[in-house]
Amino acid sequence: EPEVTQTPSHQVTQMGQEVILRCVPISNHLYFYWYRQILGQKVEFLVSFYNNEISEKSEIFDDQFSVERPDGSNFTLKIRSTKLEDSAMYFCASSRGGTETQYFGPGTRLLVL
Amino acid sequence: AQRVTQPEKLLSVFKGAPVELKCNYSYSGSPELFWYVQYSRQRLQLLLRHISRESIKGFTADLNKGETSFHLKKPFAQEEDSAMYYCALNYGGSQGNLIFGKGTKLSVKP
Repeated sequence: EPEVTQTPSHQVTQMGQEVILRCVPISNHLYFYWYRQILGQKVEFLVSFYNNEISEKSEIFDDQFSVERPDGSNFTLKIRSTKLEDSAMYFCASSRGGTETQYFGPGTRLLVL
Repeated sequence: AQRVTQPEKLLSVFKGAPVELKCNYSYSGSPELFWYVQYSRQRLQLLLRHISRESIKGFTADLNKGETSFHLKKPFAQEEDSAMYYCALNYGGSQGNLIFGKGTKLSVKP
């Protein structure tokens, strides 16, 4: 059964550094999402992406964040200048349609020191 | 504003006992609700969604618009049901953006 994959599984970075989190959605899916979960808190929506552009973004998704689908298979989340409060688990998800089931990746645990 | 509330952080029951995981929502539109489950060291996966009205692994959930609830129920809990359960609301319409509750950890003891 196809699955969403994410790399790396863990990333440690220094405050102010740029990080790129990578996701490979399920191949015939058209909608892509990033969510994050700060330790002990709820899963929060960051951004949705369809037809090569952002469909919607939350208040969390400020100018430090960007997403890209560079090659038709990868879907990346870039944090330009990381802050301590960016430490969280980041989940990628994909779905065939906007109202279809979202399939989640295993997550990338980001730690900003 | 849209909101999903799961009042219980932890629910502990014995094997064979009934289980009810509570979920309440606040949303001005027509709600589309889901239950996601995360077993230990595994990814989030969909358990069920209200529009399909099906039972998965013995779990059911009924949307009650009057009480704005979508509680998850199972008549006889099994040890393998131990996991984190998240209630989620699609507030993004056709885009499918989900808002999650804080989750309830279900522990089923032998």
